[in-house]
This record gives sequence, structure tokens and C-alpha cells, in this order.
Amino acid sequence: NAGVTQTPKFRVLKTGQSMTLLCAQDMNHEYMYWYRQDPGMGLRLIHYSVGEGTTAKGEVPDGYNVSRLKKQNFLLGLESAAPSQTSVYFCASSPPWTVINQPQHFGDGTRLSIL
Amino acid sequence: AQKVTQAQTEISVVEKEDVTLDCVYETRDTTYYLFWYKQPPSGELVFLIRRNSFDEQNEISGRYSWNFQKSTSSFNFTITASQVVDSAVYFCALPRGGYNKLIFGAGTRLAVHP
Repeated sequence: NAGVTQTPKFRVLKTGQSMTLLCAQDMNHEYMYWYRQDPGMGLRLIHYSVGEGTTAKGEVPDGYNVSRLKKQNFLLGLESAAPSQTSVYFCASSPPWTVINQPQHFGDGTRLSIL
Repeated sequence: AQKVTQAQTEISVVEKEDVTLDCVYETRDTTYYLFWYKQPPSGELVFLIRRNSFDEQNEISGRYSWNFQKSTSSFNFTITASQVVDSAVYFCALPRGGYNKLIFGAGTRLAVHP
């Protein structure tokens, strides 16, 4: 059982470069989320998706874009990376809306450094 | 507004001590769930427990126990006879805005020394 898989695990970018983080889940979950974790701030929601082809903004969406072309995949894009986006990024998935308040299942995280 | 406060930034204990991690929350919902997650040094997030606001009975799982008190809006987590493997960052979380979205506290870093 792979669960939620994030790629890559580590990445170093230069300011202004772009990149895409991939999240894949094999649990047939409807909902998927991208969070960032910064020291002393817990996890903050960037964007989320409640189904294939849908996305919505979370708490800190600026500077990021997302896409959910397939149910099992949720991509997070940085068009022009900035040092403030240095963080650990977590993807999570959750069961369908009919099973509310179920725990989210998290990937292992991507550590991203922007120089 | 929904809010989760974990006032303890870091706690350091010696192995076998009992330790309690505090979580205070604010919510406008009348029914809700609360969650605890563990983040060990390896970095992944591990789900520990989910509690329903209807049920204020203490929950015990091995050395772990949770005390949920709606009157004080607290959902505290106690580790009995702590072990080095308990060293981790612990997060309390509360659903916000539907679709199972969560708001997390800032986390409490627990260091258990031999």
C-alpha cells in the first residue's frame, strides 16, 4: 500500500525558476490537499481539490498553482520561485464527502529550498 | 473563527516521565472533530486520534491518553512513562470550512532524553 506518494523528496531551486511537485494517491480519495510547513507555524493549507478537474484556494495560495487532471494526482506548481517559498510541502488525501471528518492521509513531504 | 493554540513550543523530559501536551481550540461549530498527529524526526505525519465533540470520555491507547473538555475547549494529550521513541512534534488539528480541510496548531516539539 503506497498511500500518498510525493515526488521529488528534495529540491533546490534558484529564485525565478519554476517547478512542479507531484502528489499521487492510490486510495481512490476524492479530496486532496497541499500544505506547507514552516517552523513555528504548523501546517497551512495552500490549495485543495474536492474532485477531478476542481481546485480551490486555501489559506496561503499566492505564488502557487494547482491542477487535478486525474483523480489520483494533484500537482502543485511554482511559476517563479521566491525565497519565501522555501518550506516543506505536504500533500494529503481524504475519503469522499460522504465520510466526513475522516483523517487525512499524508505523504512524506518535499523539502524545497529556494536560493 | 476556527483556531488551534498549542502554547507549549518545546517540552523536554527524561525517559519514563509522564508528559501532557496542551491543545486549546476555538470553533463556531456545534459539532466537530479534533485530531492529533505525530511528526517524528523522519518527517512524515502520522495520524494518532480523532475525537467527536459529542464524546467527552477520556480515550486511552496504551501509554497514550486524551482528555477532551468542551467546557474549556481543550483536547490534551498525555504520554505516560515516556520513551525516547516518543520524541517528535505533535500537532493538534480542527476541521475548518468543510471538505475535511484542517487547521493545525503550531505544534509542540517533545524531546525525551534517556
